[in-house]
Amino acid sequence: AQSVTQLDSHVSVSEGTPVLLRCNYSSSYSPSLFWYVQHPNKGLQLLLKYTSAATLVKGINGFEAEFKKSETSFHLTKPSAHMSDAAEYFCVVRSGQAGTALIFGKGTTLSVSS
Amino acid sequence: DAGVTQSPTHLIKTRGQQVTLRCSPKSGHDTVSWYQQALGQGPQFIFQYYEEEERQRGNFPDRFSGHQFPNYSSELNVNALLLGDSALYLCASSLAAGAGYGYTFGSGTRLTVV
Repeated sequence: AQSVTQLDSHVSVSEGTPVLLRCNYSSSYSPSLFWYVQHPNKGLQLLLKYTSAATLVKGINGFEAEFKKSETSFHLTKPSAHMSDAAEYFCVVRSGQAGTALIFGKGTTLSVSS
Repeated sequence: DAGVTQSPTHLIKTRGQQVTLRCSPKSGHDTVSWYQQALGQGPQFIFQYYEEEERQRGNFPDRFSGHQFPNYSSELNVNALLLGDSALYLCASSLAAGAGYGYTFGSGTRLTVV
């Protein structure tokens, strides 16, 4: 079965410093992986997705993630945090090669201080 | 171009009652999925509808049922409400031909069961 584990429930950074949100996945085959962001009282927004093309995936708002099969990881990074990045971030895997349900991690709360 | 629209945004129900939540998909999308997000957790897949049929179902009891209409809009029904059903219910639309990529999420319906 597919699963994802977000290694940190809460990450705090200062504005202008790098962001690292960690995610490990479990999959019996090459997975489809996503990062979503959820701002308070708003819907989930797709940041980026990995679908077995380039292992370094660039997303919106300066975020990127690198798929590392040897480490079963898909960590999300951003070189310089902005106050507007404060939100809940979810690492997500598609449920199967034929299935289309999304399996979400428990989420990481990103706090950004000035 | 309207995104996914969910109604109502909030509602309060009493234990044992029944509730119906509604979702209008993004223009051009033909598939609707429903997710339950408990407080402090990641969303969990309830079920997915395509061509007015339930195509895939998560680990939820039969008290949770749904429907998709010819215009692709969808309803989620929950019978015999329990306190534990209190959550944010998210609707996501997609294009079946897109093999599960390109989900668009609504802002959700916050259900409180008292």
